[in-house]
Amino acid sequence: DAGITQSPRYKITETGRQVTLMCHQTWSHSYMFWYRQDLGHGLRLIYYSAAADITDKGEVPDGYVVSRSKTENFPLTLESATRSQTSVYFCASRGAGYSYEQYFGPGTRLTVT
Amino acid sequence: QQQVKQSPQSLIVQKGGISIINCAYENTAFDYFPWYQQFPGKGPALLIAIRPDVSEKKEGRFTISFNKSAKQFSLHIMDSQPGDSATYFCAASRGVSGAGSYQLTFGKGTKLSVIP
Repeated sequence: DAGITQSPRYKITETGRQVTLMCHQTWSHSYMFWYRQDLGHGLRLIYYSAAADITDKGEVPDGYVVSRSKTENFPLTLESATRSQTSVYFCASRGAGYSYEQYFGPGTRLTVT
Repeated sequence: QQQVKQSPQSLIVQKGGISIINCAYENTAFDYFPWYQQFPGKGPALLIAIRPDVSEKKEGRFTISFNKSAKQFSLHIMDSQPGDSATYFCAASRGVSGAGSYQLTFGKGTKLSVIP
């Protein structure tokens, strides 16, 4: 009964480095989402995916790349990390159909030095 | 352009009091309005949600009031308890098919502190 997990939970990286945040869900949910949470901005959508191999941009996609080769995984990659990408990142998922409820993971706190 | 505006940013309430958080939205296509609760170090979790065909929904001590004509909705926490201390986010979504369907647009959050 793992639900939705994220790894790592904490990450410190240097400016310019590539870093990948992992998200895994065990519900076979169709939809998956990546958000970033910053003080004063709330939760902002970075990318989302409606199914395997189907992804689309959210509100703040610049500097991020996603892929979804398997339904249960939705990794988020920062190709060349910048200090402005220091944030807490949340992955979420929801099933297909009429239910709108999104289930969130525990988050990854990323610091870019 | 922020589509969901939330106020206040922070709120201090005495134990047993009523906590009220307000949100206003702009997009009349929104048809689902959830509230999420987030404790420190945790991900947000759905608390309660409402659709625009009703004006109020109550679950235990938590009530959503919805005013479609004013494009506003609010969360009321009755008999507030120290365990309710958390950050609360309102959100809105529109359930259209195709790209972008069911995306949540969040307010900026309200940090609630309930003091004994």
